[in-house]
Amino acid sequence: GNSVTQMEGPVTLSEEAFLTINCTYTATGYPSLFWYVQYPGEGLQLLLKATKADDKGSNKGFEATYRKETTSFHLEKGSVQVSDSAVYFCALSDLRKGMELSTGGFKTIFGAGTRLFVKA
Amino acid sequence: DAGITQSPRHKVTETGTPVTLRCHQTENHRYMYWYRQDPGHGLRLIHYSYGVKDTDKGEVSDGYSVSRSKTEDFLLTLESATSSQTSVYFCAISESKSGQGLFNEQFFGPGTRLTVL
Repeated sequence: GNSVTQMEGPVTLSEEAFLTINCTYTATGYPSLFWYVQYPGEGLQLLLKATKADDKGSNKGFEATYRKETTSFHLEKGSVQVSDSAVYFCALSDLRKGMELSTGGFKTIFGAGTRLFVKA
Repeated sequence: DAGITQSPRHKVTETGTPVTLRCHQTENHRYMYWYRQDPGHGLRLIHYSYGVKDTDKGEVSDGYSVSRSKTEDFLLTLESATSSQTSVYFCAISESKSGQGLFNEQFFGPGTRLTVL
């Protein structure tokens, strides 16, 4: 079945450091890939997405490229800020096997999350 | 921000008691989901709904039931709460979109922290 694996945390960086959070996936179809971010005490919110191979998603200085050949979707940011401290989730969304879109055909699988601490 | 509210936001209950969590949306989205979040597990899907009265099980559905009598409300019920159901519960909504490929972006509520003693 489909799965998502992301690097374990916590990741601790100094302000303005370069960030990489690795994410790899397994999927039988052609999934869409997402990064969600969760700030303390809040729900998840979408950070960026990519819907097909070689697409690059970007938002708020974060980027991730959908690499089908390496089944990866690594999150990067060139210069992190204290306000980026949060938990980051990689996710995969694909049509459920044998199901139609009209009956809830999508299935989204989340990675375990990577906590990022950024020090001033 | 997507209009999603969850109630209650915090609840402490005792083993064996029934508990109902409510998710309310104002976005008129078709799909609604209940997840639980536990350390080391990320988010795991409990149940989801693809329309009024249309629901299906997720990967961790044992001990939980759901109902959706209106588009805007999705209820999660623990018939007899156990300590293993202590968790943070998130509701999410989505609509499927096409144009740049078919995909399913989800919007999350603020969560309910449930403690079962």
